[in-house]
Amino acid sequence: AQRVTQPEKLLSVFKGAPVELKCNYSYSGSPELFWYVQYSRQRLQLLLRHISRESIKGFTADLNKGETSFHLKKPFAQEEDSAMYYCAQNNTDKLIFGTGTRLQVFP
Amino acid sequence: GAVVSQHPSWVICKSGTSVKIECRSLDFQATTMFWYRQFPKQSLMLMATSNEGSKATYEQGVEKDKFLINHASLTLSTLTVTSAHPEDSSFYICSATDYYRADEKLFFGSGTQLSVL
Repeated sequence: AQRVTQPEKLLSVFKGAPVELKCNYSYSGSPELFWYVQYSRQRLQLLLRHISRESIKGFTADLNKGETSFHLKKPFAQEEDSAMYYCAQNNTDKLIFGTGTRLQVFP
Repeated sequence: GAVVSQHPSWVICKSGTSVKIECRSLDFQATTMFWYRQFPKQSLMLMATSNEGSKATYEQGVEKDKFLINHASLTLSTLTVTSAHPEDSSFYICSATDYYRADEKLFFGSGTQLSVL
């Protein structure tokens, strides 16, 4: 079965520090991967998709097929980035989510 | 983005009662809706795929008689937790697909916290 793994449950950094939230997937074909974010008391929302290759709120994520990874990165974290981040993979039009990583950015 | 409304946001019920959760797409037609369940500090687990006008497709391990899904219109899907028990207490989230959008296609409701006493 396809799996999405986020090894870190919690990632704490200080404001201005670089951030990398790890995500690994298991799929031999061409995966479609996403990062979703859930801010405190808000609904889950799409942050970015690998096929769009864009930067949203300073975040980028590159698909590395050799390492089967889709890590989320931001060079300088901001306090407002504190949230739950979920990596997800499209599996025949169904989203399979990782367990999530809570990012805490301290001032 | 498109809006998905989920109601109620929080429900507390006695063991043995049934609870209905509604998921509505407010500004688009959703031929497909998904129901997820999330336990504390765990990920979202897909329960079922709901297609308008047809039977829902349940994921392995999800009891279809326990979690009744009805998708009678293009804007409404309901999840009924029948004869709820404390182990059914969880956070339930729906999502809906707007296939006509070129960018983001999947939108989430705000979730329903079910507490069974």
